[in-house]
Amino acid sequence: KAGVTQTPRYLIKTRGQQVTLSCSPISGHRSVSWYQQTPGQGLQFLFEYFSETQRNKGNFPGRFSGRQFSNSRSEMNVSTLELGDSALYLCASSLAPLPGQGFDEKLFFGSGTQLSVL
Amino acid sequence: SQQGEEDPQALSIQEGENATMNCSYKTSINNLQWYRQNSGRGLVHLILIRSNEREKHSGRLRVTLDTSKKSSSLLITASRAADTASYFCATDIKAAGNKLTFGGGTRVLVKP
Repeated sequence: KAGVTQTPRYLIKTRGQQVTLSCSPISGHRSVSWYQQTPGQGLQFLFEYFSETQRNKGNFPGRFSGRQFSNSRSEMNVSTLELGDSALYLCASSLAPLPGQGFDEKLFFGSGTQLSVL
Repeated sequence: SQQGEEDPQALSIQEGENATMNCSYKTSINNLQWYRQNSGRGLVHLILIRSNEREKHSGRLRVTLDTSKKSSSLLITASRAADTASYFCATDIKAAGNKLTFGGGTRVLVKP
């Protein structure tokens, strides 16, 4: 079974531009989460999508947005890029239980997209 | 601020020695997980311990959880050079859905 695939692996943009990152989850996984990793702030939760709906959201400005398609693939978009948006963006997928079941789930991470904003 | 704080921030040991790292958190949790990250790559899940469990083993890994102290420890026994990585604890704070909060991580260097 293929793992979580993130594209592109590296990206260089300039301030003010926008960027779209893509994530293909493991087949059968319905939940996709996004995390930002920087040396200063560590790993921070951006948002989670389940069945094309945003189920959880972190404390990021509205410039950060995402969506999930019917095949569970997800994209995140960052508009009006700032220097501080330079980071490793990680996508993670999980099976996601049915309602009423527990949430003791492990996440499967992709290799990430390294975004550099100049 | 982060839910989990890890200690130490960095650890250097010889191959064959044990490595212990600790994680403290602030609020009640559903479960606590440990992940490993090799040099800027994605994270790999190591082990999950539920809030009603006190200890769990997986191969050379041993995790303990003390909910009264809001802390957990990860022990790697008989370390190998391949264990060189950053280790993160992550807590699930009973939110609906998957919303893990990660600690700052412990960088482990295992010298051959």
